[in-house]
Amino acid sequence: QKEVEQNSGPLSVPEGAIASLNCTYSDRGSQSFFWYRQYSGKSPELIMSIYSNGDQEDGRFTAQLNKASQYVSLLIRDSQPSDSATYLCAVNRPPKAGSYQLTFGKGTKLSVIP
Amino acid sequence: AAGVIQSPRHLIKEKRETATLKCYPIPRHDTVYWYQQGPGQDPQFLISFYEKMQSDKGSIPDRFSAQQFSDYHSELNMSSLELGDSALYFCASRGDRKETQYFGPGTRLLVL
Repeated sequence: QKEVEQNSGPLSVPEGAIASLNCTYSDRGSQSFFWYRQYSGKSPELIMSIYSNGDQEDGRFTAQLNKASQYVSLLIRDSQPSDSATYLCAVNRPPKAGSYQLTFGKGTKLSVIP
Repeated sequence: AAGVIQSPRHLIKEKRETATLKCYPIPRHDTVYWYQQGPGQDPQFLISFYEKMQSDKGSIPDRFSAQQFSDYHSELNMSSLELGDSALYFCASRGDRKETQYFGPGTRLLVL
């Protein structure tokens, strides 16, 4: 079982709709959670970070964390064609000796249809 | 705002050759991470450095080595290159109060 699981998609939503992306993780000791957006051939770009249970909102993006269920989600409101990309869920392993390496899911490919 | 700089952006090598990838972190960031992303794959952690010391090691082959210098830039040295080493190599830096990592633009390595 991969440590971070995501549906690979593709997830297709019409322009203006809400896109919902989900992620589960296996290590209960994980403390920090991130959503990165990656366009094809480009580097991951940080969209959201979340550290405690509940919701975290930033503009059109909302990250939700449920540590009891080991579940992280990302909602994108008013989806735009420019949101079409692969969304990577990333989890920090419990830190040791100053290291906070990220473990990524395989990513969900989102396609926003005009 | 200054971002992570990587060079070169593209590199073509023959099998069994060597390659050196460079990473310049965001100013005042003290931690550097290297990731490898194969085609259609998620980024895989290779190695990290904190304050010029290796802090963690992931799936880095023995043919690869890396270091962080006094100015905090890092270099990934890759020897005896294999076809399977063809990938995007990302450097990320961290230095703020949270564990947020900021990725550089990547180096696309093609081994022929």
